[in-house]
Amino acid sequence: GAVVSQHPSRVICKSGTSVKIECRSLDFQATTMFWYRQFPKQSLMLMATSNEGSKATYEQGVEKDKFLINHASLTLSTLTVTSAHPEDSSFYICSARVGEGPNYGYTFGSGTRLTVV
Amino acid sequence: EDKVVQSPLSLVVHEGDTVTLNCSYEVTNFRSLLWYKQEKKAPTFLFMLTSSGIEKKSGRLSSILDKKELSSILNITATQTGDSAIYLCAVHYISSGSARQLTFGSGTQLTVLP
Repeated sequence: GAVVSQHPSRVICKSGTSVKIECRSLDFQATTMFWYRQFPKQSLMLMATSNEGSKATYEQGVEKDKFLINHASLTLSTLTVTSAHPEDSSFYICSARVGEGPNYGYTFGSGTRLTVV
Repeated sequence: EDKVVQSPLSLVVHEGDTVTLNCSYEVTNFRSLLWYKQEKKAPTFLFMLTSSGIEKKSGRLSSILDKKELSSILNITATQTGDSAIYLCAVHYISSGSARQLTFGSGTQLTVLP
């Protein structure tokens, strides 16, 4: 089945540094990837939608200069948290739509636990 | 504003009980409703519902969509401790022209006690 590989699974970084999270579709082409953020005991909140070869669409309240998304190829989307702060500590998950027409689904990466100290 | 609401937010039951989780939505251009189970990491897919009134079943889990009521329920019968998880409802819809959205509800935290 369609698999999205997300790395790293866990990262600890110092305040002020930048962290890059990668999501790769392993056996299919993902023209669109979704990036979510999840705080403890809360649901997934959509941050942005990335489309291959074009600018990402950010949800209201998400700083695009802070959360840089690049979707340069059909198999790779990256999220870079720039100048990270402790409040950016969270669980980040990517997702890709798989299939077209009536037979489609969404597959998720395994998530990245970011801790900013 | 498009939204997805789940209830209850949390639920504690004993093994063997039957639970019903609810999801209601208000979105434009609805396409489908999906249920996920989330334990420690990424959500795992349970069901996708597109047609009203057709029950989908997988073992002790079943789900049905009511497009008239803009809602769905997820039933779990004979619950086991392994069913303890957050159950997420997500709605796929088209917004802002052709932009496809997948919006999640707040989730229901289910705890099954032995």
